Amino acid sequence: NAGVTQTPKFQVLKTGQSMTLQCAQDMNHEYMSWYRQDPGMGLRLIHYSVGAGITDQGEVPNGYNVSRSTTEDFPLRLLSAAPSQTSVYFCASKRLTTEAFFGQGTRLTVV
Amino acid sequence: QQPVQSPQAVILREGEDAVINCSSSKALYSVHWYRQKHGEAPVFLMILLKGGEQKGHEKISASFNEKKQQSSLYLTASQLSYSGTYFCGTVLSSGSARQLTFGSGTQLTVLP
Repeated sequence: NAGVTQTPKFQVLKTGQSMTLQCAQDMNHEYMSWYRQDPGMGLRLIHYSVGAGITDQGEVPNGYNVSRSTTEDFPLRLLSAAPSQTSVYFCASKRLTTEAFFGQGTRLTVV
Repeated sequence: QQPVQSPQAVILREGEDAVINCSSSKALYSVHWYRQKHGEAPVFLMILLKGGEQKGHEKISASFNEKKQQSSLYLTASQLSYSGTYFCGTVLSSGSARQLTFGSGTQLTVLP
């Protein structure tokens, strides 16, 4: 099992550009989430999904879109990148009664 | 609804003990504990479920008071490798979404 795979690991964007962060899991987990982590801070929930076709907003959803067409994939789209979106992004998946499994993170810089 | 963690930071000498606390104002389904080292993804330590079930690493112990919606992580005989930031995450009992949200973290430093 690969677990949770996130790509890319590093990305530099110019202000106004768009991009998609990929997240895939091979554990058949129903729950998937995206978090952002700013320096010295905790993990803030951006969007989450409880199954294919079902998504909802977390604590900091503005400027991001998600979709979940399959159980395995949960991409995060930045519509028009802003310097305030410079952060480390983590994707995670879990079942209701299990721990969350995290991807290795994407370090995004918006200039 | 994010959980509240305390303390924000702890400095220990090797071999000393520490307790990190996590509380919620709402009824909880589960409490999760993770440790994160700089530049890395969070690593799972313990999950405690409503009803008493728990799963985690052998050398880690934690408690979950369901009446008070509080959890504590106990780090005994600390080692240098215990240094890092500890996060508690909670899943609420109410609502269908059951998303996992995290506290702001406790920075633990273990000195030789």
